[in-house]
Amino acid sequence: SQTIHQWPATLVQPVGSPLSLECTVEGTSNPNLYWYRQAAGRGLQLLFYSVGIGQISSEVPQNLSASRPQDRQFILSSKKLLLSDSGFYLCAWKGDSNQPQHFGDGTRLSIL
Amino acid sequence: GQSLEQPSEVTAVEGAIVQINCTYQTSGFYGLSWYQQHDGGAPTFLSYNALDGLEETGRFSSFLSRSDSYGYLLLQELQMKDSASYFCAVLGPGAGSYQLTFGKGTKLSVIP
Repeated sequence: SQTIHQWPATLVQPVGSPLSLECTVEGTSNPNLYWYRQAAGRGLQLLFYSVGIGQISSEVPQNLSASRPQDRQFILSSKKLLLSDSGFYLCAWKGDSNQPQHFGDGTRLSIL
Repeated sequence: GQSLEQPSEVTAVEGAIVQINCTYQTSGFYGLSWYQQHDGGAPTFLSYNALDGLEETGRFSSFLSRSDSYGYLLLQELQMKDSASYFCAVLGPGAGSYQLTFGKGTKLSVIP
């Protein structure tokens, strides 16, 4: 069966510091991968998606970036965090056609 | 683009039935998904409707009317553990192949 791992679960970072969140998927190949952000009490905002290694598309311009160095690895990064980057970051994967997306456990990021 | 409307909050009594409605406006539509999210947790997939009608999975059912751009999630025999936020999400074109656009969520509170 397929599983998705996301870490760390929580993170507290100062403004201006770098960020690296990692997501890996097991039990499937060539998944579509997604990064979402959820502000407190709000819906999910799609940040990035990837349909293959090295293929990244951005939905929202901001100071975050994403990379997919391996088929089942998706990384969310920032060189300098802003206060507005606080939130709940979720990685998701889906297979072919109209299969549902499945989410990792999320990373709760607090910027001080 | 896509936009979705669902009530922000609903309160229901344990053992009762509750219906959470979702209306949408889309520029492309493949189907409607529902996700459950407990406080502090990640969204978990509940159901997906691509065709008109009712899909039943245990105590949960989901309905879709494509002609009315409307769907609902029906929860029967409510339990305290059903207290959570419920998101409808439209699956449409985008994000490389398929993109999920989420509503802002409905916070369901189940009271004794």
